[in-house]
Amino acid sequence: DGGITQSPKYLFRKEGQNVTLSCEQNLNHDAMYWYRQDPGQGLRLIYYSQIVNDFQKGDIAEGYSVSREKKESFPLTVTSAQKNPTAFYLCASSMTENTEAFFGQGTRLTVV
Amino acid sequence: AQSVTQLGSHVSVSEGALVLLRCNYSSSVPPYLFWYVQYPNQGLQLLLKYTTGATLVKGINGFEAEFKKSETSFHLTKPSAHMSDAAEYFCAVSEDGNNRLAFGKGNQVVVIP
Repeated sequence: DGGITQSPKYLFRKEGQNVTLSCEQNLNHDAMYWYRQDPGQGLRLIYYSQIVNDFQKGDIAEGYSVSREKKESFPLTVTSAQKNPTAFYLCASSMTENTEAFFGQGTRLTVV
Repeated sequence: AQSVTQLGSHVSVSEGALVLLRCNYSSSVPPYLFWYVQYPNQGLQLLLKYTTGATLVKGINGFEAEFKKSETSFHLTKPSAHMSDAAEYFCAVSEDGNNRLAFGKGNQVVVIP
């Protein structure tokens, strides 16, 4: 089946550790995105990538890093510099940056 | 900068009654407007979107929204609520049609039998 896969669904980490969230798509989409969702806050854009080997900061990129070495993969690393990493993280992709975005089912990260 | 305001974080509606979710936007250019639905611990699903043209937009699951430029609004409605409509709904805006969206804070809809 075509779609966007985020893994794992739930992730627990100790404070001060870096953690990488996986996002894979088999839709042959060029553009990919990472959003962060907090209760009562809606979604905020962390990073986006319009094409392989290129990515741009979104509205809340501090404390995060990404790579886009393959078209189908856009992993997000939450570093120890991120002050409040506990959140629900959503990955999305679209054929181009102007076409409909499709979302994965999210990863809930809890840092203790 | 683009932004969206959704008032009333929780909305309760009786089964069979009208669903009305309000969205007001701010944009320096003609906006592209979206409504998404999210079920618990799931990703977002696009309900409908406005780009250009007809101001009344019909979406999936019986929802529709009307773009009113004079009121900078894009309210979402459904004539008759169903139990399966219980979910969180997000309004979003994009200034040039790209997916770098600005989202509202969402409305959690509860349907009362």
